[in-house]
Amino acid sequence: AQSVTQLGSHVSVSEGALVLLRCNYSSSVPPYLFWYVQYPNQGLQLLLKYTTGATLVKGINGFEAEFKKSETSFHLTKPSAHMSDAAEYFCAVRGAREGGNKLTFGTGTQLKVEL
Amino acid sequence: NAGVTQTPKFRVLKTGQSMTLLCAQDMNHEYMYWYRQDPGMGLRLIHYSVGEGTTAKGEVPDGYNVSRLKKQNFLLGLESAAPSQTSVYFCASSPERVRDGHSAVGNEQFFGPGTRLTVL
Repeated sequence: AQSVTQLGSHVSVSEGALVLLRCNYSSSVPPYLFWYVQYPNQGLQLLLKYTTGATLVKGINGFEAEFKKSETSFHLTKPSAHMSDAAEYFCAVRGAREGGNKLTFGTGTQLKVEL
Repeated sequence: NAGVTQTPKFRVLKTGQSMTLLCAQDMNHEYMYWYRQDPGMGLRLIHYSVGEGTTAKGEVPDGYNVSRLKKQNFLLGLESAAPSQTSVYFCASSPERVRDGHSAVGNEQFFGPGTRLTVL
C-alpha cells in the first residue's frame, strides 16, 4: 500500500522567493512519484514525474523535484516564485507494480504568492 | 484533440434524485478513473476501469456505480444522491503501461475539467 503526506496545507511566499513544497511517501515497492498542479476551477495538470533514472526531475514552469529514497521524500521546488504559480499542488505516488496505473494523492498544498 | 471532457460542468440535485456523469476521452487510453475532491482531503478514487467492459472499486465506491461500455467513455452514476456526495468530481485517463527498452514507463493520468455537484 502507498500513502502520501504533504506537510503544510497552505504555504505563502513572496514573489521572487524560493518555493518549497514538501512531500513524503510510503511505499512497499519502488515508487513512481508525481506532482500535479490545479489552478482555480480547473482540472489537474502534470508538473513532473519520477519513474526511474535521474533522481532530480525537471518539470514545466521552472519547477523541479528530487527523489530521495533514504528520506522517502519528493519535495517540489522553484527558485523564484511568480504570481502565476498561485495554485494548489498535489503530490501522488504509485507503486511500480500497481495495477491500473492507480495513484494515491496527498491532501494538497495551497500556494499563495504575495507581492 | 479535446483530451478528457466531462459533462455536465455543474449540477444541483435534491436528496434521493439520480444522475449520471459522463466522461469521454479521445486519446485511446485503456485506463479511466473517477475521483472526488473534497476540501482538505485531496483526491479520492471512487471507481476505475482497466479496459472496455471492466470496472473496479476504488477507495470510496459506496453510493456510486460505473460503466465502461465503450473504450472512450466512462460513466459515473448516483442512484440516490445524498448531501455527503456534494463534491467536485474528476475523471482521468491513462495509457496502459508500456515497456520502453528494459524498463516500464510510469504513465501519468490526464484529467478532465471537473463536475461540481451539489446535493441539497
